[in-house]
Formats: sequence, structure tokens, C-alpha cells
Amino acid sequence: EPEVTQTPSHQVTQMGQEVILRCVPISNHLYFYWYRQILGQKVEFLVSFYNNEISEKSEIFDDQFSVERPDGSNFTLKIRSTKLEDSAMYFCASRAQGEANYGYTFGSGTRLTVV
Amino acid sequence: LAKTTQPISMDSYEGQEVNITCSHNNIATNDYITWYQQFPSQGPRFIIQGYKTKVTNEVASLFIPADRKSSTLSLPRVSLSDTAVYYCLVGDTSGSARQLTFGSGTQLTVLP
Repeated sequence: EPEVTQTPSHQVTQMGQEVILRCVPISNHLYFYWYRQILGQKVEFLVSFYNNEISEKSEIFDDQFSVERPDGSNFTLKIRSTKLEDSAMYFCASRAQGEANYGYTFGSGTRLTVV
Repeated sequence: LAKTTQPISMDSYEGQEVNITCSHNNIATNDYITWYQQFPSQGPRFIIQGYKTKVTNEVASLFIPADRKSSTLSLPRVSLSDTAVYYCLVGDTSGSARQLTFGSGTQLTVLP
């Protein structure tokens, strides 16, 4: 079964540093998403991406965050100047054209720890 | 946005059928109902999506009454590995991810 791959699985960074979280969506998928889940809390939408541009973003996704699809396979989330409260699991998801509207395939996540 | 309400937790035993009901009283005409499963420290996994009546796949069934104000996810013959959090979500045909809100879900614990 095709998978969404995320790397690294765990990232520890110092407050104020920049991090890049990487995702390889399923190859024929066209819609890409980033979500986060703070420990013990709800899964929160960050951003959706289609046709090389952001489709939607939440209030969480401020100027500190950016996304990029640098080539035909990778989809990255950059967090500039990390804060302690950015510590969370970050999940990438993707969906194919024509699939169930909300039938996303999620990756296993990157656990980001800001110290 | 249609708000969903589901039980915080449920216990079941291996081999039993489990039904998790979700209430969405203010669901709109063009809203779909979607269920996800999440294991600890893993991403959510899509289970099933429906609009009305009954939908069945290899994993589960989704029952939606005519008024669509609730839905029931049915898991046949659960095993210990079905212990997870189950989320009921409602979103419209626009496919807008921003409106698809994960709530607290239902923690299903399957006991031996």
C-alpha cells in the first residue's frame, strides 16, 4: 500500500533555530497538507497546498511557517525561529484527484521537540 | 460548520461488534461524514466516508439515518489492535481542509 513518508521521525532543536520537516507524498497525489498535534491535544490543520501554491491556511500558520514543493516528490514545512510551543507531532498528508473529499493519507509524523 | 459530538471513550471485548455513534445535529445539505482512526504517535488513518444510508468497505460500515443528524461507525469483530482513537468529522463538498475539524474523538479500548 502506498505511503506518505516523513523525515526525520524525531527532531530536537533549540529555541530560535529554523527547522525543515520533510514529506514525500504518494506519487500520484496532487493535494498536500500539514497538520500538527500537540501532545495530548487535537489534530490541528495548518495548511493545504495544490498546484504549487497554498490553497488554505489556518490561523496557526503565520509568517513563521512556510511550505514548499522544491521538486516533483518532496513537500516541506519550514518553521523559522522555533518557539517552545511549536513542540508537537507534525503530520503530512496527501490526497489524489477524484478520491473521497476527505480521504487523506497521513504520514507517521515528525515529533518536533524545541528546547 | 457542523459540530460533532461523540463519546469520549468506549470499552469492548475482542470479537465483539462495536458501534460508535456521532451526533451532528446541524449538518448541512452538502456535508459529508468522514471517520478516521488514530493510534498513539501515528498519523490519522482514513476509515470511511459517506453521505447518506449505508456505506461499507473492508474495514467498517457507516450507517447514516435519513435525517443525517447522526452517524454510526460499525467495526465488526474487533481485535486488540483496533484499540485507538476514532474521529467523526463533517465537511462539505468543497473539499476545504480548513473546515474539517478533528475533535477529541472516541478512545476505543478493546479488552481481551
